[in-house]
Amino acid sequence: GAGVSQTPSNKVTEKGKYVELRCDPISGHTALYWYRQSLGQGPEFLIYFQGTGAADDSGLPNDRFFAVRPEGSVSTLKIQRTERGDSAVYLCASSLDLAGVETQYFGPGTRLLVL
Amino acid sequence: SQQGEEDPQALSIQEGENATMNCSYKTSINNLQWYRQNSGRGLVHLILIRSNEREKHSGRLRVTLDTSKKSSSLLITASRAADTASYFCATDARFLGAQKLVFGQGTRLTINP
Repeated sequence: GAGVSQTPSNKVTEKGKYVELRCDPISGHTALYWYRQSLGQGPEFLIYFQGTGAADDSGLPNDRFFAVRPEGSVSTLKIQRTERGDSAVYLCASSLDLAGVETQYFGPGTRLLVL
Repeated sequence: SQQGEEDPQALSIQEGENATMNCSYKTSINNLQWYRQNSGRGLVHLILIRSNEREKHSGRLRVTLDTSKKSSSLLITASRAADTASYFCATDARFLGAQKLVFGQGTRLTINP
């Protein structure tokens, strides 16, 4: 079956611009996660959605970052006034989020480069 | 901040040899997972071990968990060139009421033909 998909694969933008990154989770998965991975590091948690609501946004680094999931499926991560330090691979994952089912399935990521 | 620490940071072995990677973590967990990542893109789930389990096998993979030492190991037997990748351990923070995975920095494994 189809896995988690993310678009675009790569995004190059200029400092100060606004970007949107999209995630299509596996059909039927109620939980959706965004992570950010810098070069040579492991992924770091940004935000978690259960259905349409953000259940945990404690990983968002500042108020320039925002994410939505209006219909409980596709999610968009939005970054305002991008900075060079935002350059990273942004990973999306989804899971069934049932009791005892914790495996998260990851998309291929969006590589963001801020010039 | 990252909870897990993988050891070693990089490992290079000959094809056919066994590869062992270790992971340590800091807080109580419900489970620990291992993921593989090729070329810095999407992560592939390998295996999940629960806090009440001590060892788990999947094909050529063997994972152990020692909750008293807050450590886990991943053993890949009879390694192949295709096993070349970065390997990450991740702990489930659900015990603390959160759903997120907390990853270590990873081990870069290179299998030489």
